[in-house]
Amino acid sequence: DQQVKQNSPSLSVQEGRISILNCDYTNSMFDYFLWYKKYPAEGPTFLISISSIKDKNEDGRFTVFLNKSAKHLSLHIVPSQPGDSAVYFCAAYGTQGGSEKLVFGKGTKLTVNP
Amino acid sequence: KAGVTQTPRYLIKTRGQQVTLSCSPISGHRSVSWYQQTPGQGLQFLFEYFSETQRNKGNFPGRFSGRQFSNSRSEMNVSTLELGDSALYLCASSSVAGALMAEQYFGPGTRLTVT
Repeated sequence: DQQVKQNSPSLSVQEGRISILNCDYTNSMFDYFLWYKKYPAEGPTFLISISSIKDKNEDGRFTVFLNKSAKHLSLHIVPSQPGDSAVYFCAAYGTQGGSEKLVFGKGTKLTVNP
Repeated sequence: KAGVTQTPRYLIKTRGQQVTLSCSPISGHRSVSWYQQTPGQGLQFLFEYFSETQRNKGNFPGRFSGRQFSNSRSEMNVSTLELGDSALYLCASSSVAGALMAEQYFGPGTRLTVT
């Protein structure tokens, strides 16, 4: 049962345009969300996070939006640059039964074309 | 400041064997977490250690175990290897105890192949 879903395995955009990466979750226990990006042959790198008490968090070109009622979050990259080409993972954090859980989506491969 | 290092980078083992992977966190970081990445299941959390204590554990069988030493270095052990254990094993470190919801710094991973 996939609790965190990134339904688009890949996304291709033109340099300078907006990239929108989507993520859906099913479990209401999740109350904190993170985005990581991963280049080939490297470990993931933290990008941005958002608490469930907010609906938007911005850091430079990166903005994450959270729609709790829809159990949906999205990462916007504006403007997109070729160096943003990587795999992006959405992750959801929550506690259940006294145990902390961190669940990742399977990732979306973003390609930014010059 | 040196990043997270993992050794070895590549490993080939036979079914039934056991394996130990090592992770050295960023200097000053006391939290180490381990993850398994496979094409089918994606990135999955294994366990989290802080100051030599396991704080959280993912949904993996008991064949997967770990420990953390007083210098914060961590090892992960997998016993009785199965073909399905072939994966990229990633280690991440953090400066805080609640690492799962904090910024974690990942190493490059150890690629384990079980034949």
